[in-house]
Amino acid sequence: DAKTTQPPSMDCAEGRAANLPCNHSTISGNEYVYWYRQIHSQGPQYIIHGLKNNETNEMASLIITEDRKSSTLILPHATLRDTAVYYCIVRAFNMEYGNKLVFGAGTILRVKS
Amino acid sequence: NAGVTQTPKFRILKIGQSMTLQCTQDMNHNYMYWYRQDPGMGLKLIYYSVGAGITDKGEVPNGYNVSRSTTEDFPLRLELAAPSQTSVYFCASSSGTSGRHTDTQYFGPGTRLTVL
Repeated sequence: DAKTTQPPSMDCAEGRAANLPCNHSTISGNEYVYWYRQIHSQGPQYIIHGLKNNETNEMASLIITEDRKSSTLILPHATLRDTAVYYCIVRAFNMEYGNKLVFGAGTILRVKS
Repeated sequence: NAGVTQTPKFRILKIGQSMTLQCTQDMNHNYMYWYRQDPGMGLKLIYYSVGAGITDKGEVPNGYNVSRSTTEDFPLRLELAAPSQTSVYFCASSSGTSGRHTDTQYFGPGTRLTVL
């Protein structure tokens, strides 16, 4: 699996966009980029995923560079409830063993009022 | 749908005791996973299952056992508890289908286990 590199922490003002970067320079052609987040003491929550096109859902947008070596998760209007650890995970789905996620340390996002 | 439920929420064990962490999902998912999370760390995979009757080891299986007799349930058994097993345990499930909605994992609320 491709390794990912994320900054250990970031701050964001409430109401502003939060842009969380992730480097995955060794990503393979069949590997997806997933983003999960973990709010304190809770189980991780799926946010979004993508292969090579930019993606948007009700929670966030995912921008993947053309060479797929990096991506950015965008929370368009961050709120205090978005304070969490954000994990960028690169993984190819395999029917034999499913989608075993490998969680790194992630980025601690602190949204401040 | 309740999603993924885990019991108990909290437990304190003495060294050498045994217990079973329960996990149930009502989404008819084929794939189920057990992770542990130590303080300040990311999650590590203990065991996983791709369907009823099929289980396999993850990164950190030592000291644990699992079974999968039904699609819904995936209990994790701790035999001879040790202080190193003090952690938060998360169960997750996924549908296991490829395509656009590729195998999103849904996590339970976790079980906080302390071994003294």
